[in-house]
Amino acid sequence: GQQVMQIPQYQHVQEGEDFTTYCNSSTTLSNIQWYKQRPGGHPVFLIQLVKSGEVKKQKRLTFQFGEAKKNSSLHITATQTTDVGTYFCAGNQAGTALIFGKGTTLSVSS
Amino acid sequence: GAVVSQHPSRVICKSGTSVKIECRSLDFQATTMFWYRQFPKQSLMLMATSNEGSKATYEQGVEKDKFLINHASLTLSTLTVTSAHPEDSSFYICSALAGVLQQAEAFFGQGTRLTVV
Repeated sequence: GQQVMQIPQYQHVQEGEDFTTYCNSSTTLSNIQWYKQRPGGHPVFLIQLVKSGEVKKQKRLTFQFGEAKKNSSLHITATQTTDVGTYFCAGNQAGTALIFGKGTTLSVSS
Repeated sequence: GAVVSQHPSRVICKSGTSVKIECRSLDFQATTMFWYRQFPKQSLMLMATSNEGSKATYEQGVEKDKFLINHASLTLSTLTVTSAHPEDSSFYICSALAGVLQQAEAFFGQGTRLTVV
């Protein structure tokens, strides 16, 4: 079945450093979505990418969808303590359930 | 964005009892809802796909007789954990698809933290 791999599992950075998490799917995806989950909270939708090679930005966050629609990345520029949490990618094919990666837990020290 | 309401947010039950969790789409109709389970420090694992008016589709390894899913209307899906045991203690979360098929966005409920004692 479809699998979504995500690396790294954990990442610790100093405030102000950049951070990137990578996501790879075993199959071509219809779309990929990114979520952020704070400790004790539920996943919150960040963004959806649909087109091959798509790049979207949200302030300090940059999301990319690979040309083959099988991989994606989330890059945070100049991390802040408010960025801490676990970032999940999730992909699916049209109308099917999202399959989540294992997540990357980001910690930021000031 | 669309709102999905999940209730209860926390529940503690005795071993052997059953617990029902509700997932409602408040401002849209959802023909398909999904139920996930998340153990501590792990990712969300899909348990089943709930389709309005038909039987749910369960993922491999998920007991359908233990996790009863009912999707009786376009805005409500329920998950009942029957004869709960301590190993069923987990964070259960539902999601509903809103929007056009190819670009449907999944909206999540707030989750239910189940503790079986």
